[in-house]
Amino acid sequence: DQQVKQNSPSLSVQEGRISILNCDYTNSMFDYFLWYKKYPAEGPTFLISISSIKDKNEDGRFTVFLNKSAKHLSLHIVPSQPGDSAVYFCAASRQYGGSQGNLIFGKGTKLSVKP
Amino acid sequence: EPEVTQTPSHQVTQMGQEVILRCVPISNHLYFYWYRQILGQKVEFLVSFYNNEISEKSEIFDDQFSVERPDGSNFTLKIRSTKLEDSAMYFCASSARGVGGFSGNTIYFGEGSWLTVV
Repeated sequence: DQQVKQNSPSLSVQEGRISILNCDYTNSMFDYFLWYKKYPAEGPTFLISISSIKDKNEDGRFTVFLNKSAKHLSLHIVPSQPGDSAVYFCAASRQYGGSQGNLIFGKGTKLSVKP
Repeated sequence: EPEVTQTPSHQVTQMGQEVILRCVPISNHLYFYWYRQILGQKVEFLVSFYNNEISEKSEIFDDQFSVERPDGSNFTLKIRSTKLEDSAMYFCASSARGVGGFSGNTIYFGEGSWLTVV
């Protein structure tokens, strides 16, 4: 039961270009979405989030877009840097009043940024 | 920058043994969580803890698991009798507020404790 799907297991991008990581979800009750970056043998590091009342959130080189009708979100990294090479996880939170942190994660997309 | 710290970073244990994984959440956070990631699989929610009690748990979190906040700073996950399938990276996490709705809150993860059951 994949409620959060990241259909691309890997993505390779040239340094300086844009990286676009995609995520689809099936549960319309999700109302808050997060992107995490993870290096091997480390914990997920929070990058950026978006609430379902917005369609875009920007933080420096990172922008997340949310298309609720399509149940799709994407993370844009521009310009991409070699240090961005990591696994990126999309996560979603259910619409419970005071939901207690049950984040549903996708399987991740491994981003490689080549110099 | 405040961070979630976990110990041990790696533990090897025999099947059937009890294991305690320890965590120090970010100091002003009120919500605490355990997640795990079996090698090659997704990060999965185990349990959330607020106001000294479990607020939500997944079906993974069966009677073999328990959590405790024994003092004002530590948060522990105990596995009473480990099984081979408990081998995974266990992540502790914390947040200032609950996640969900439009709170816009964020969960911060620790570095993980790698548990190997042999």
